[in-house]
Amino acid sequence: GQQLNQSPQSMFIQEGEDVSMNCTSSSIFNTWLWYKQDPGEGPVLLIALYKAGELTSNGRLTAQFGITRKDSFLNISASIPSDVGIYFCAGQKLTGANNLFFGTGTRLTVIP
Amino acid sequence: GAGVSQSPSNKVTEKGKDVELRCDPISGHTALYWYRQSLGQGLEFLIYFQGNSAPDKSGLPSDRFSAERTGGSVSTLTIQRTQQEDSAVYLCASSWGRQETQYFGPGTRLLVL
Repeated sequence: GQQLNQSPQSMFIQEGEDVSMNCTSSSIFNTWLWYKQDPGEGPVLLIALYKAGELTSNGRLTAQFGITRKDSFLNISASIPSDVGIYFCAGQKLTGANNLFFGTGTRLTVIP
Repeated sequence: GAGVSQSPSNKVTEKGKDVELRCDPISGHTALYWYRQSLGQGLEFLIYFQGNSAPDKSGLPSDRFSAERTGGSVSTLTIQRTQQEDSAVYLCASSWGRQETQYFGPGTRLLVL
């Protein structure tokens, strides 16, 4: 299957700090997605990127679709305690039933 | 509007028993997916339904797993003769179409003793 390498695996940061995480793949994707999963919940879509080079913001979140279409990063500015959770990147292809491939997640802990 | 719902939220069963997990997708979404998430892992694709077409079952790990979707809406994932390694969170997602963004339900946490 497709392999998405997401890093870092976990992060411990102080409230107010900025956070950066990224995802790389050996495959090209048509869409990059970032999801957040809180304990006991399903993943919730944060940002969707549809075009190589695209930079998109959603509040304190900013994500970019890499020019090579093989990578993406997510930045969170001025972190707050409710940012705690697991962040997953996902690459989506246009073909194939199983067309959404997930990274292994970045577990974020924010220390108040 | 209402999101994807799944039931039960949690299920504890004994090894060898059958279980049924239910997913109610977002109204109007034609595509429905099942995924499995083991502890600390990413999501593993299981099966995909698109409209009235035959489902793509390429991700099902064994013939003990099956799923159906009735009337193009509600879906049921059945695991027969459960094994301890089946313990995981089973997530359902739906979308307007295969190429569209998937929206996830809260999952069913299955524990096989």
